[in-house]
Amino acid sequence: AQKITQTQPGMFVQEKEAVTLDCTYDTSDQSYGLFWYKQPSSGEMIFLIYQGSYDEQNATEGRYSLNFQKARKSANLVISASQLGDSAMYFCAHGSGNTGKLIFGQGTTLQVKP
Amino acid sequence: EAEVAQSPRYKITEKSQAVAFWCDPISGHATLYWYRQILGQGPELLVQFQDESVVDDSQLPKDRFSAERLKGVDSTLKIQPAELGDSAMYLCASSFSGANYGYTFGSGTRLTVV
Repeated sequence: AQKITQTQPGMFVQEKEAVTLDCTYDTSDQSYGLFWYKQPSSGEMIFLIYQGSYDEQNATEGRYSLNFQKARKSANLVISASQLGDSAMYFCAHGSGNTGKLIFGQGTTLQVKP
Repeated sequence: EAEVAQSPRYKITEKSQAVAFWCDPISGHATLYWYRQILGQGPELLVQFQDESVVDDSQLPKDRFSAERLKGVDSTLKIQPAELGDSAMYLCASSFSGANYGYTFGSGTRLTVV
């Protein structure tokens, strides 16, 4: 069975600094994807970044990058130059390459301090 | 930009009443998912459709929940009767044929059962 573990319930970061949100996963799938979503208090799930299991290079999207270490089964999100608007809940998710079903972690609440 | 449409955005209902949520996926997305997110937790899959067929409803409480996607396009999720523990965010998502590509969430329906 697939499982996502996010060990940081809450994180603080100073504005303009970088922050790393941890995510480890367990899977029996050969083909899978790893997603990061941002969820502000309004509740919508905002897609940030995606890494396929066969992608050799780490994914990047603007200020977001994914530190993918397949052997360690980790997929940490790095946010560079944090902004006040980055304050939200962040979820890591495993996507099955066969079914598309997403398994989410428990989330990390990030607060950016001015 | 194409969106997954959900309505209503908010719903307050009394215990033992019936309630229904609607989702219209992105055009061309054959796979539709309903997730439930209890406050403070990650979303969990309730039901997955491939076109009009249910491919995974293992986590759907079938004694009170039902879901349909009659023409393989939009979908309705119903709860009857609602219980206090059903208070949650209900998120709809769609993707191309169960793949991770193009995975998009709607804005969700926040249900409060009183």
